[in-house]
Amino acid sequence: GAVVSQHPSRVICKSGTSVKIECRSLDFQATTMFWYRQFPKKSLMLMATSNEGSKATYEQGVEKDKFLINHASLTLSTLTVTSAHPEDSSFYICSAPGLAEINEQFFGPGTRLTVL
Amino acid sequence: GQNIDQPTEMTATEGAIVQINCTYQTSGFNGLFWYQQHAGEAPTFLSYNVLDGLEEKGRFSSFLSRSKGYSYLLLKELQMKDSASYLCAGMDSNYQLIWGAGTKLIIKP
Repeated sequence: GAVVSQHPSRVICKSGTSVKIECRSLDFQATTMFWYRQFPKKSLMLMATSNEGSKATYEQGVEKDKFLINHASLTLSTLTVTSAHPEDSSFYICSAPGLAEINEQFFGPGTRLTVL
Repeated sequence: GQNIDQPTEMTATEGAIVQINCTYQTSGFNGLFWYQQHAGEAPTFLSYNVLDGLEEKGRFSSFLSRSKGYSYLLLKELQMKDSASYLCAGMDSNYQLIWGAGTKLIIKP
């Protein structure tokens, strides 16, 4: 099946700094990628839809200026958490749509962000 | 509104069978997914149903009834490694996934 990678897998940063998370589709092209956030023992929360060559579509309640998304190519989307605060600590997961026949999404392995 | 309901937690015995139910309400419908998620890891795809009926894949089977807005995931011959959260997700008319909160499955020896 298709493979999606994320980098880094874990990151610890200080309050006020910015952190960039990369999501790559390794063996297929993805014009759309999705960014999710997951709190402990909770389900995934869709943050935004990343669109190659255009602006991302953010879900209600997600701050666009805080979570910057760039989809610069057909295989790379980045999420930058700006001026990070401890409450931004979470598990961030990206996914990309796969086979059209079954509407499957392929998930990256996730990035654990800890803000001190 | 859109909503996915599934039990919070279930317990079963190794070697037994367990059924995890899910009811859904979505704006339009483009299929029902089941994912498995181990703690600290991303979800992994288990099954996809878009037509009524049972889809069998090894020890795992998934059922869908569109008229009832209902699905279940059936796990047979349970193994300890099946201890995980199982996420039900419905895909709406915009091809967005609406996620349930997940069912934590605990397997006891």
